[in-house]
Amino acid sequence: DTAVSQTPKYLVTQMGNDKSIKCEQNLGHDTMYWYKQDSKKFLKIMFSYNNKELIINETVPNRFSPKSPDKAHLNLHINSLELGDSAVYFCASSKDRAGTEAFFGQGTRLTVV
Amino acid sequence: AQSVTQPDIHITVSEGASLELRCNYSYGATPYLFWYVQSPGQGLQLLLKYFSGDTLVQGIKGFEAEFKRSQSSFNLRKPSVHWSDAAEYFCAVGPRAGNNRKLIWGLGTSLAVNP
Repeated sequence: DTAVSQTPKYLVTQMGNDKSIKCEQNLGHDTMYWYKQDSKKFLKIMFSYNNKELIINETVPNRFSPKSPDKAHLNLHINSLELGDSAVYFCASSKDRAGTEAFFGQGTRLTVV
Repeated sequence: AQSVTQPDIHITVSEGASLELRCNYSYGATPYLFWYVQSPGQGLQLLLKYFSGDTLVQGIKGFEAEFKRSQSSFNLRKPSVHWSDAAEYFCAVGPRAGNNRKLIWGLGTSLAVNP
């Protein structure tokens, strides 16, 4: 039983398209995150939700919009995709907003062509 | 400015050899400290963490790390490396207080293991 699962694992799309990545955790955690890992493996936090409330919103283009329908799910919608959006996107969860241990999904490799 | 430095971008060791991966941080106060491992095509997994107490912490997969406050370091060690340890290793630090804590990540060290 996967703890944090993301779909899809791979996503290839054209510039200008809109796409979504879904994430679900079955750990009963309160807090979920989206991270972006670029081609140099640099990890950058994008968003965090705690019990469906947005608590971390880093400097990210408005084209990125997270949505948390319940505390077990956190989706990421990206409008008007650009070449620079190509990266691996990781969903993670932690027991609480202190974030002292994060559990990561396998990642979604997004390629914009 | 808060930062985490992993000086070694890439390390190659032979199977059975010992390993030390370096991590230095710059932070206002002593942070929480973490090491994560990312196997190829996988997400990150927590290896170990330091919050307080004994400065030598044990983690999963036979790893340990030592916190040295005077050197602002948290180096990861393993006495005998296995081929399956080939992966990317990330050091991260985070605040001890506050409700919405964000980790600051190093750029990672890529470990290759020769048979």
